[in-house]
Amino acid sequence: GAVVSQHPSRVICKSGTSVKIECRSLDFQATTMFWYRQFPKQSLMLMATSNEGSKATYEQGVEKDKFLINHASLTLSTLTVTSAHPEDSSFYICSAYSIQETQYFGPGTRLLVL
Amino acid sequence: AQKITQTQPGMFVQEKEAVTLDCTYDTSDPSYGLFWYKQPSSGEMIFLIYQGSYDQQNATEGRYSLNFQKARKSANLVISASQLGDSAMYFCAMRERNTDKLIFGTGTRLQVFP
Repeated sequence: GAVVSQHPSRVICKSGTSVKIECRSLDFQATTMFWYRQFPKQSLMLMATSNEGSKATYEQGVEKDKFLINHASLTLSTLTVTSAHPEDSSFYICSAYSIQETQYFGPGTRLLVL
Repeated sequence: AQKITQTQPGMFVQEKEAVTLDCTYDTSDPSYGLFWYKQPSSGEMIFLIYQGSYDQQNATEGRYSLNFQKARKSANLVISASQLGDSAMYFCAMRERNTDKLIFGTGTRLQVFP
């Protein structure tokens, strides 16, 4: 199947710093990518829809200034958690639709803010 | 509003037996897609199987089959000949036609024992 990669897979940072997470579609172009957040033992919560060449669409309750999304090319979307705090610690996972209209997910990024 | 319901928080099955994971959905949209994903402890979301609302036959992918009952709005996942490696969280999801967003159920934790 199609491959989506994420980097880094795990990050630990101090409170107040910013963290950038990259999501890449490796063998297909993705005009739209999605960013999810997952707390332990819970389901995935959609944070935003990343659109290539335009502004991201955020879900209700997600702070746009806190979670900056940039979709600069057809294969790369980035999520920047600005001024991270311990409550931002979570599992962040991105996804993209392949040409077969199946949504494939990246391996996820575990963020721990100290 | 669209909704996915997974009523089984946990399921146990013995190795080599078949198991059915339940999923019901609610939508007023005549066109939709249903997905099943597996999430092992590593966190990655693995695509298993897809069923389109207009597909006449139930989807199958190896040991996975989807029991699609449109009138009952159910899309149960059947795993045949369970293996120890099938132990994981399983999520049912529905695709919103207009936005391409995936709406997830709360998941079912499957444990396969020898």
